[in-house]
Amino acid sequence: EVQLVESGGGLVQPGGSLRLSCAASGFTFSSYWMHWVRQAPGKGLVWVSRINSDGSSTSYADPVKGRFTISRDNAKNTLYLQMNSLTAEDTAVYYCARGVTVAFISPWSYWGQGTLVTVSS
Amino acid sequence: EIVLTQSPGTLSLSPGERATLSCRASQSVSNTYLAWYQQKPGQAPRLLIYGASSRATGIPDRFSGSGSGTDFTLTISRLEPEDVAVYYCQQYGSSPQTFGLGTKVEIK
Repeated sequence: EVQLVESGGGLVQPGGSLRLSCAASGFTFSSYWMHWVRQAPGKGLVWVSRINSDGSSTSYADPVKGRFTISRDNAKNTLYLQMNSLTAEDTAVYYCARGVTVAFISPWSYWGQGTLVTVSS
Repeated sequence: EIVLTQSPGTLSLSPGERATLSCRASQSVSNTYLAWYQQKPGQAPRLLIYGASSRATGIPDRFSGSGSGTDFTLTISRLEPEDVAVYYCQQYGSSPQTFGLGTKVEIK
């Protein structure tokens, strides 16, 4: 059974940092593009970042570019999101997601349960 | 960036009725790379439809998708109480992948 389990969320002060993790199991993690998606309270879904299967290619949404870093450890089957210089606008539930197929262009059939990041003083 | 506009914002129907949800793109969605997701309160999104009209694994056949180019539709043929949720469309063929703001489906 495919499972994605996020962790690392919590309360952080503006300007602070946080690292999210997404532990994957039940599939060949090293074969898939992986994504981070966020959802502010009461709002819609917004793609944040993606990384290819071996970690050599990454991409970011404009609001997080230069502040967030996506990475992965295929030996540990874990995806990461390092978030720096956090602002209140980063407050959201963060989901990791995996595509239906290993292709770059694929909808996302597996999602974690999400981890809440709250940026507040 | 492709902007997706969903309508209506909220749909309130009785059980057994047909629900029609619209998603309009600001530019043509390549190769019908358009998906629909269902999100219930407190849960992660669930993939319903991909490629504009293909049902994802395990999705009941009362859910169907159609459309191409810039206009897409999700239809729930006979609304059931468990279909209460917010439905999002997503285009995944152009970077960045983008979502609509969602349509909330309620039961009268």
